[in-house]
Amino acid sequence: GAGVSQSPRYKVTKRGQDVALRCDPISGHVSLYWYRQALGQGPEFLTYFNYEAQQDKSGLPNDRFSAERPEGSISTLTIQRTEQRDSAMYRCASSLARGSGQYFGPGTRLTVL
Amino acid sequence: KQEVTQIPAALSVPEGENLVLNCSFTDSAIYNLQWFRQDPGKGLTSLLLIQSSQREQTSGRLNASLDKSSGRSTLYIAASQPGDSATYLCAVNSGGSNYKLTFGKGTLLTVNP
Repeated sequence: GAGVSQSPRYKVTKRGQDVALRCDPISGHVSLYWYRQALGQGPEFLTYFNYEAQQDKSGLPNDRFSAERPEGSISTLTIQRTEQRDSAMYRCASSLARGSGQYFGPGTRLTVL
Repeated sequence: KQEVTQIPAALSVPEGENLVLNCSFTDSAIYNLQWFRQDPGKGLTSLLLIQSSQREQTSGRLNASLDKSSGRSTLYIAASQPGDSATYLCAVNSGGSNYKLTFGKGTLLTVNP
């Protein structure tokens, strides 16, 4: 079956612009996660949804970052007023339920000029 | 705070060799542990998931063990092939949240033909 998909795969933007990253989880997966990965590092947790409820946003770096999952399926991670330090790979994952194995999408490579 | 360390950071072996990748974590109160494979330009592929109550999991030429009390996991790859070349990431699902993965920095494996 289809895995986790993310779009766009690559995003280049200028400092100060807003960007929206999309994640389409595996069908039937109620849990959805966002991570951010810097070069040479493992992914770091940003936020977690159970169905449409955002249950943990402790990993979001600051209030320029927000995420939503309004219908409990597709999720959008939005970064407002982007800065160069926001450049990274943004990864989305989903799981059948909380605590079960997580499956990752291909990621969105964000570059802020 | 959970910390995950992977040793070695990089490993180069000739084809056909058996090898072991190591992962250690500081907080033994984990829910489960996942091993992932990361290929350039692609997402993370889940290889094995070990629940905290399990000692090992096997999939084909891969075997992962877990010693929760000592905070260690190993990934054993038998009869390595050039196609196994990738970065291998260990991720711990800490017991407190049972959804937040904490990753190591990974081991870059190169299998030479």
